[in-house]
Amino acid sequence: DQQVKQNSPSLSVQEGRISILNCDYTNSMFDYFLWYKKYPAEGPTFLISISSIKDKNEDGRFTVFLNKSAKHLSLHIVPSQPGDSAVYFCAASGGSGYSTLTFGKGTMLLVSP
Amino acid sequence: SAVISQKPSRDICQRGTSLTIQCQVDSQVTMMFWYRQQPGQSLTLIATANQGSEATYESGFVIDKFPISRPNLTFSTLTVSNMSPEDSSIYLCSAGRPNEKLFFGSGTQLSVL
Repeated sequence: DQQVKQNSPSLSVQEGRISILNCDYTNSMFDYFLWYKKYPAEGPTFLISISSIKDKNEDGRFTVFLNKSAKHLSLHIVPSQPGDSAVYFCAASGGSGYSTLTFGKGTMLLVSP
Repeated sequence: SAVISQKPSRDICQRGTSLTIQCQVDSQVTMMFWYRQQPGQSLTLIATANQGSEATYESGFVIDKFPISRPNLTFSTLTVSNMSPEDSSIYLCSAGRPNEKLFFGSGTQLSVL
């Protein structure tokens, strides 16, 4: 039973446009959400996070939106760059900080020039 | 931030043998974890590595198959024992402090023949 779902295995976007990656969760105890980016042959690197007390968090080109009632979060990348091409993992945690993370299966983003 | 060194980066092993993966963190961290990513799947938590005591395993993972050591705050090992082709995965070490994001090593790509 997947508690964190990324229903799009892949996404293709043109350079300069917006990339929107989606994530749904089922566990209402989750209160801390993170996005990680992973390049081939490298470990995941932290991108951005949001706690359940907020509905939006921005960091440069990256914005994460949280809709608690829908149990849905999304990552917006504007403008998208070819270097953003990677696999993006959504992760969720219950309790403070990270405790133990539950990951989605990831979405492969390809940004073409 | 924390830099996590993990080795080996990849290995090809024969069925029935064991492989030990090492993880070194460049700063003292409270928590260390081991994850597995099977092909096309999400990152799955194997266990929490506890300093000086037995690791805490997640459902579906047992100490006999995945013995873990953590002799100090900055070092841990994961052994994949009596390997079978089903153990072919990426194994990832992660570390962090409470209420902070997790950092990941670059992973160990394991192929079992």
